[in-house]
Amino acid sequence: QVQLQESGPGLVKPSETLSLTCTVSGGSISTYYWSWIRQPPGKGLEWIGHIYYSGSANYKSSLKSRVTISVDTSKNQFSLKLRSVTAADTAVYYCARAAIAGSATNWFDPWGQGTLVTVSS
Amino acid sequence: DIVMTQSPDSLAVSLGERATINCKSSQSVLYGSNNKNYLAWYQQKPGQPPKLLIYWASSRESGVPDRFSGSGSGTDFTLTISSLQAEDVAVYYCQQYYNTPVTFGPGTKVDIK
Repeated sequence: QVQLQESGPGLVKPSETLSLTCTVSGGSISTYYWSWIRQPPGKGLEWIGHIYYSGSANYKSSLKSRVTISVDTSKNQFSLKLRSVTAADTAVYYCARAAIAGSATNWFDPWGQGTLVTVSS
Repeated sequence: DIVMTQSPDSLAVSLGERATINCKSSQSVLYGSNNKNYLAWYQQKPGQPPKLLIYWASSRESGVPDRFSGSGSGTDFTLTISSLQAEDVAVYYCQQYYNTPVTFGPGTKVDIK
């Protein structure tokens, strides 16, 4: 059973870079698309972007200038970098897998437990 | 981007009664070549990630109780909880995966009356 676990700092200063890693266990990172999704406190879900195991990435247009998603197949991990953060980037960040192998647009299953990142000085 | 809307924002239903949540997409999410609606439903409880309930608009995920059902096509969809249980108190989200970026509805909070 595939499990995902987010890791990274819970506090980031304004204007700095948010960096998170998602570790995939119980299965290979290969052949799937892997996404980052965030949820501001008390609000809804926002897809940030995804990456294929080959390294091909796609981002939400409004975040594209600040986001990089990368993959490390040797470690079964993928990562998120969000630059120049502001308080508006405070959210629970989830990593998730597209449910169907090889399909870029899909429902998500499974999800990580999520990690709260607060942007504050 | 496809905009997803949900109604109502919240609802309170008596235990054992039916709960109905509506989801509407700004454009059709029905893919003509396979006649499938690219629409999923999730349940989210406080402090937990979303849990998949329904995909392809009406296919129930394995292990999801059969009191949860999805229906609809094109731009209008419904999630029905046929007999509300205490453990169903949660926020419910719809999601379209017809194209990128995938987008979610704003959520509907379900409580016990």
